[in-house]
Amino acid sequence: QKEVEQNSGPLSVPEGAIASLNCTYSDRGSQSFFWYRQYSGKSPELIMFIYSNGDKEDGRFTAQLNKASQYVSLLIRDSQPSDSATYLCAVNMYYGNNRLAFGKGNQVVVIP
Amino acid sequence: ETGVTQSPTHLIKTRGQQVTLRCSSQSGHNTVSWYQQALGQGPQFIFQYYREEENGRGNFPPRFSGLQFPNYSSELNVNALELDDSALYLCASSARLAVNTGELFFGEGSRLTVL
Repeated sequence: QKEVEQNSGPLSVPEGAIASLNCTYSDRGSQSFFWYRQYSGKSPELIMFIYSNGDKEDGRFTAQLNKASQYVSLLIRDSQPSDSATYLCAVNMYYGNNRLAFGKGNQVVVIP
Repeated sequence: ETGVTQSPTHLIKTRGQQVTLRCSSQSGHNTVSWYQQALGQGPQFIFQYYREEENGRGNFPPRFSGLQFPNYSSELNVNALELDDSALYLCASSARLAVNTGELFFGEGSRLTVL
C-alpha cells in the first residue's frame, strides 16, 4: 500500500465551479498534511497545510482533514483558469524532520 | 522565485556514468532535502541534510549520496546511472523551525536523462 494515494484521473471543471480533490494516507500516526500545486514544467509550491480534524479555509481554498478515516481533501471554489495545474497531496510522516511523502498528484483543468 | 537555485537545469548521461547535481538553499535555511520526480509521479524523498549531516533517507540505494556544505548548499551524487534514474531532481530548502509546516521551498529542478 502506498503511503499517500491520489486515485482520481484528470479533473475538468468549468470556470467558476468547485474543484474537489481527495487523498488518503496509510500511516495513522501522521501529524501534518499539505497540498502543493505544480504547474507544468515548474516545481511544487505549498498552498495549504492542516494539522487538526475539520476544515481550514484560505481564500478560495479549503482543506479538510479526517484522521479517523485517514482522508484529506482540497476544495477550490470559484475555479479560475490559473488554477489549472497538478495538485499534490503530501504527508509529514516523520515528526521532526520535515520529510514529506507525496501522492502522484491530480491534474485539474479549468475550462473558461 | 523561491531563492533556491539548482544546476544544471538539464543534462544527458549514459548508463553507468556518474552525475553531480548542485543546489543553493534559500538564505536563512539550514535544511536541504532532495526529491526525485519521475514523469507523471509525485516527488519521492531521497534524503535530507541538516547542519551538514544526513537527517533521514528514503528508499534509495547507496549509489545515491549527498553532501551539505557549511554555507548550507548541497550536492546530490548518483553513481552507476541506470535508465530508471531519468527524472526531475528537486532540491528543497526549509528552515528547521518550519518542521511542522511542511513548507519546502523547491528549486526549479535538474532534469536528468539517462540513455
